[in-house]
Amino acid sequence: QAVLTQPSSLSASPGASASLTCTLRSGINVGAYRIHWYQQRPGSPPQYLLTYKSDLDKQQGSGVPSRFSGSTDASANAGILLISGLQSEDEADYYCMIWHNNVYVFGTGTKVTVL
Amino acid sequence: EVQLVESGGGLVQAGGSLRLSCTASAFSFRTYELNWVRQAPGKGLEWVSYISDSGYVAYYGVSVRGRFTTTRDNAKNSFYLQMNSLRAEDTAVYYCAVGTSSPDYWGQGTLVTVSS
Repeated sequence: QAVLTQPSSLSASPGASASLTCTLRSGINVGAYRIHWYQQRPGSPPQYLLTYKSDLDKQQGSGVPSRFSGSTDASANAGILLISGLQSEDEADYYCMIWHNNVYVFGTGTKVTVL
Repeated sequence: EVQLVESGGGLVQAGGSLRLSCTASAFSFRTYELNWVRQAPGKGLEWVSYISDSGYVAYYGVSVRGRFTTTRDNAKNSFYLQMNSLRAEDTAVYYCAVGTSSPDYWGQGTLVTVSS
């Protein structure tokens, strides 16, 4: 079982909200980790979006719009990236990442399509 | 603004070696933690290595441990990835990524192709 699991794809309409999940493997408690989120547009390097652990421990990337926000769902043991007011430029791959046992681990990635 | 430029990628035969460089500009380089991350063609991101701001602590991904070594030269605002015993599965775009608590800033990447 992967350490971080993300749905492979998600489609939504312009202006809608998209909730991207990053589920931590059983035994790894989401409340103990800072979850970092990255966006990667086709042909470009990843771009840092934000970090979220709690409302008291979070960081927004420089220049990243506030319509990108983070949260967690303890019942699902998952981190969440919420994109509000989807725009065509948000079409990209999104990755979550944590620091776990002295290594960084990336999620499997979610491809977001804006229809 | 943080700018990172990777170099040193190219075509190498399996079993060979390659040294990647990442040169940074316009920030307090010595206070940053440095990472290498790679992406095989059509695949997701895979973290490769980390080196602390002091350079005394380094960690590696399981797939490269014992073959790759990361170092830094704060006087040159640069850090490096020495890759030995290269395998076909090491073929990827290699990105350097830096930050004070996570990889916040990324270079454009350099392609490493290992032929078998």
